[in-house]
Amino acid sequence: SQQGEEDPQALSIQEGENATMNCSYKTSINNLQWYRQNSGRGLVHLILIRSNEREKHSGRLRVTLDTSKKSSSLLITASRAADTASYFCATGHNTNAGKSTFGDGTTLTVKP
Amino acid sequence: NAGVTQTPKFQVLKTGQSMTLQCAQDMNHEYMSWYRQDPGMGLRLIHYSVGAGITDQGEVPNGYNVSRSTTEDFPLRLLSAAPSQTSVYFCASTVRDTGELFFGEGSRLTVL
Repeated sequence: SQQGEEDPQALSIQEGENATMNCSYKTSINNLQWYRQNSGRGLVHLILIRSNEREKHSGRLRVTLDTSKKSSSLLITASRAADTASYFCATGHNTNAGKSTFGDGTTLTVKP
Repeated sequence: NAGVTQTPKFQVLKTGQSMTLQCAQDMNHEYMSWYRQDPGMGLRLIHYSVGAGITDQGEVPNGYNVSRSTTEDFPLRLLSAAPSQTSVYFCASTVRDTGELFFGEGSRLTVL
C-alpha cells in the first residue's frame, strides 16, 4: 500500500497564483522528498526535508513538515505555466535507504 | 553526465514472452531500484539493491527478477509477460546519505 497520499489529486490555478499541495503518511520517517514529473518524463527531485526539520525553502518552493501530524506541504509561489506537472511526495526510512515510498501525486495545471 | 540510462524506451511484447529492461548509472551510487507507474498513479517499488550482489523485493515483485553484478548496472527481467505488466518502468539510483532518487526517463512496456 502507498505510504504517502497527496491532496488534492488535481489542482488548477492561474499563472501568478500560489499552489499548495499536501502529503500525509502513515509511519515514522527519516526524510520526506518532493518530486516533479512532466508528462511522459521521469521524476525530478525538487527538495528533501529531514524529520528534524520543520521548513525548507528552495527558490519558489517552500516545504513544511509536521511529524506529529505525519504531514507535509509543498507551496509553489508565483506559479508559471511551466510549473504544470504532477507532483509526488516520497518518504524515506533510515533502515530502508533507497526504498522510498510514493503517493499517487497531485496534478497541477497552471493556466497562462 | 548521463546519470541514469534506461533502454529500451518503448517495447511491445506478446503474452508469455520474456525480456530484460536495462538500467545503468554512472554516479557510483550504491543503491538502485526499479519502480512501475500505472496510469494516474504513483510509483510502486518492484525490486531494489543496496549494492553489488545484494537485491531485495519491493512492494510488487511477482513476475520480475533482478540481479546486480556491478555497481553500474541493474537489469529487470520479465520472465513471462502478462497484460497486467503493461506499465511505465522507472529505474532510479540513490544517494546513500540522503535517499534522494535520480530517475531514468522510463521504459514504456505494452503487453498484448
